[in-house]
Amino acid sequence: GAGVSQTPSNKVTEKGKYVELRCDPISGHTALYWYRQSLGQGPEFLIYFQGTGAADDSGLPNDRFFAVRPEGSVSTLKIQRTERGDSAVYLCASSPGPEQETQYFGPGTRLLVL
Amino acid sequence: AQSVTQLDSQVPVFEEAPVELRCNYSSSVSVYLFWYVQYPNQGLQLLLKYLSGSTLVKGINGFEAEFNKSQTSFHLRKPSVHISDTAEYFCAVSDRNRDDKIIFGKGTRLHILP
Repeated sequence: GAGVSQTPSNKVTEKGKYVELRCDPISGHTALYWYRQSLGQGPEFLIYFQGTGAADDSGLPNDRFFAVRPEGSVSTLKIQRTERGDSAVYLCASSPGPEQETQYFGPGTRLLVL
Repeated sequence: AQSVTQLDSQVPVFEEAPVELRCNYSSSVSVYLFWYVQYPNQGLQLLLKYLSGSTLVKGINGFEAEFNKSQTSFHLRKPSVHISDTAEYFCAVSDRNRDDKIIFGKGTRLHILP
């Protein structure tokens, strides 16, 4: 069975541009998470979806960051007016649903803002 | 709120020697505990987890960890390491009563010396 997939694997953009990062969770998983991993750090939580709704977006650093999951499967993380400090690996994870404690991670999207 | 401290950023170990990677956590609520491994250029993979029951947890690739509630620790051990164990290891915690984020430590890089 397919795991969590993320596209693109790498993204280079210029400061001020808009980017979209995509996550395809494991089929049937209702919970989806986004994390950001900066160089030399552990992953940091951004946002959690249960189905189509964002159950917890407390980790989004500011209003330039937004995520959607319109049909309860694929999710897109959107970053407006990118800054050099946004450069990081963006990780997506999914789990089967409520009370399922194990999260399965995708390979990540490496974002570089020049 | 929870937090995780990994006391060593890097641990060099000779091949076939034992290793212990230290992890301490703080939390005001009951938690689940995890160790994830990130091999070079790969995504995060679950190594083992503590949910309840026996405090000694066995994971993949010969690793094990022991939950110590009084010392709020969850140290990872392996009796004999191999060159293939070269990776970054992340200790993590989540709130047992919620379905959302995992809080990660900063990671420990395991260097296997020939």
